Amino acid sequence: DTEVTQTPKHLVMGMTNKKSLKCEQHMGHRAMYWYKQKAKKPPELMFVYSYEKLSINESVPSRFSPECPNSSLLNLHLHALQPEDSALYLCASSRRGDGRRGSPLHFGNGTRLTVT
Amino acid sequence: GIQVEQSPPDLILQEGANSTLRCNFSDSVNNLQWFHQNPWGQLINLFYIPSGTKQNGRLSATTVATERYSLLYISSSQTTDSGVYFCAVEMRGTSGSRLTFGEGTQLTVNP
Repeated sequence: DTEVTQTPKHLVMGMTNKKSLKCEQHMGHRAMYWYKQKAKKPPELMFVYSYEKLSINESVPSRFSPECPNSSLLNLHLHALQPEDSALYLCASSRRGDGRRGSPLHFGNGTRLTVT
Repeated sequence: GIQVEQSPPDLILQEGANSTLRCNFSDSVNNLQWFHQNPWGQLINLFYIPSGTKQNGRLSATTVATERYSLLYISSSQTTDSGVYFCAVEMRGTSGSRLTFGEGTQLTVNP
């Protein structure tokens, strides 16, 4: 069982809908991440939060809006998505958020998003 | 940015066989991790190994940082080892948060 919990597991939404993906970890990790993964491709980094502050945005379109309400929670708000945004969205966390060195990354099971 | 190359891209084994997966990278790294993604999409961290050797059961990994490669060894493979194995790295001198993933090795273990 993963210690990073993502909800929902599956989501189907229309292009005019607004929805949110949720992620929670209780490992005391101070860095949290959103990745996007298309079929048969590696995960691609979208956002990094370090100590609840957005530290990396990999030029992600504004229709994706991240939010970190506290050190355990991470949300991804979705609005006006396109069919090509259909993918597996993975949340991850790691112990360190201070940027001095890396630490193991722990992934949730992902949300499989379909945009119709 | 840093380049990550994994080989082989595909590997088919009979249960019980051993295998070696390779990850080459183009620059010095401060962060190298191996992951296994099972057929249901679950991505599991196998090793955090920027240098040296580690073992965990039937799996072991070695990173030779000076020569810019890492190896993942799977011994006595089982059908549950099937899936995609990713190597991910971050260049030395950066924040420790921006991993670059290789394209992965698709492993199929047949009974």
